[in-house]
Amino acid sequence: LAKTTQPISMDSYEGQEVNITCSHNNIATNDYITWYQQFPSQGPRFIIQGYKTKVTNEVASLFIPADRKSSTLSLPRVSLSDTAVYYCLVVLDTGFQKLVFGTGTRLLVSP
Amino acid sequence: DTGVSQNPRHKITKRGQNVTFRCDPISEHNRLYWYRQTLGQGPEFLTYFQNEAQLEKSRLLSDRFSAERPKGSFSTLEIQRTEQGDSAMYLCASSPQRSGNTIYFGEGSWLTVV
Repeated sequence: LAKTTQPISMDSYEGQEVNITCSHNNIATNDYITWYQQFPSQGPRFIIQGYKTKVTNEVASLFIPADRKSSTLSLPRVSLSDTAVYYCLVVLDTGFQKLVFGTGTRLLVSP
Repeated sequence: DTGVSQNPRHKITKRGQNVTFRCDPISEHNRLYWYRQTLGQGPEFLTYFQNEAQLEKSRLLSDRFSAERPKGSFSTLEIQRTEQGDSAMYLCASSPQRSGNTIYFGEGSWLTVV
């Protein structure tokens, strides 16, 4: 399973755009990039998943360059409620897999 | 919204007691997973079911741990003779058997062994 590397923590202010970059140098052809958000004492919540280029949903955007060795989660205009831990994972498209979580990026949004 | 449901949400038990957690996956999700998470760490894989078959178990799942999914719907995770090191959040997740393979987690069950 591809290992991911992401910053341990980031700070931001309300209304700013936050970009969290994740590196996954050993990503395989059949791997997707998936991001989860986790609030204290809650389970991880799926945010977004992509294979290449750009994916956007109502919560975030995911930018993936052509070599797919990294990806960037973009959170537009963050609010205090976006304070959470964000996990970047590389997952198979189909079939059983063990999700391998790192320690994630702890995002703190201040007023 | 019928997401993954876990019960109980919190459990405090004395060392040596047995505890059981229940997970109800999203309807029609035939894949079910158990993870464990300790403070400051990401979740760690424990075991995986496809329908009623337990197909994968982590080395973290000692012989005091047993998981079942008897009818391919809900699942239980039992911990026998609990130890203080078992204190953690136990997460259940489910996913459908189709491409896209997004895994959805429940809210978790917190275990405190005193």
